[in-house]
Amino acid sequence: SQTIHQWPATLVQPVGSPLSLECTVEGTSNPNLYWYRQAAGRGLQLLFYSVGIGQISSEVPQNLSASRPQDRQFILSSKKLLLSDSGFYLCAWSAIWASGRNEQFFGPGTRLTVL
Amino acid sequence: DQQVKQNSPSLSVQEGRISILNCDYTNSMFDYFLWYKKYPAEGPTFLISISSIKDKNEDGRFTVFLNKSAKHLSLHIVPSQPGDSAVYFCAASEPNTGKLIFGQGTTLQVKP
Repeated sequence: SQTIHQWPATLVQPVGSPLSLECTVEGTSNPNLYWYRQAAGRGLQLLFYSVGIGQISSEVPQNLSASRPQDRQFILSSKKLLLSDSGFYLCAWSAIWASGRNEQFFGPGTRLTVL
Repeated sequence: DQQVKQNSPSLSVQEGRISILNCDYTNSMFDYFLWYKKYPAEGPTFLISISSIKDKNEDGRFTVFLNKSAKHLSLHIVPSQPGDSAVYFCAASEPNTGKLIFGQGTTLQVKP
């Protein structure tokens, strides 16, 4: 069966510090991978998605970047964190999109607090 | 401009009764719709889905209804249980890309 891991679970970082969040998927090959952010009291905002190694699409302009160095690894990064980067970050995967079905499966999330 | 909207931020129902969560969308090209359940500090869990070619899908206590003409879908939970208390997100699959567009979520509280 497929599993998705995220770490760390929680992170407190000062403004201006770098960030690296990691996501890995097991039990599947060539998944689509996604990074979402849930700000306090709000819905899920898609930040990045990837359909293959080295292929990253950015959904919103921001202080963050993403990379996919391996098939089942997705990394979210920042060179200098802002207060507004605080939130709950979620990684998700899906099988290659086919018309009619597109369930995404989420990891446990990382709670990031920027002080 | 929000393409998927959940206009009720919260809903409270009594245990054993029906919970109805609503979702509206604007893009008639969406071809697949999903409901997720989320507990605090956890990732969302896929609950149930429906293709745009259907108007109903049922899985145990959960039923999703789709009204394409009204661009509206709803999730029915019968009977509601205290363990159903969570935030529920509806999502629509964007045509040609498969990306999901999420609503803002509805917090369901089921009282014993």
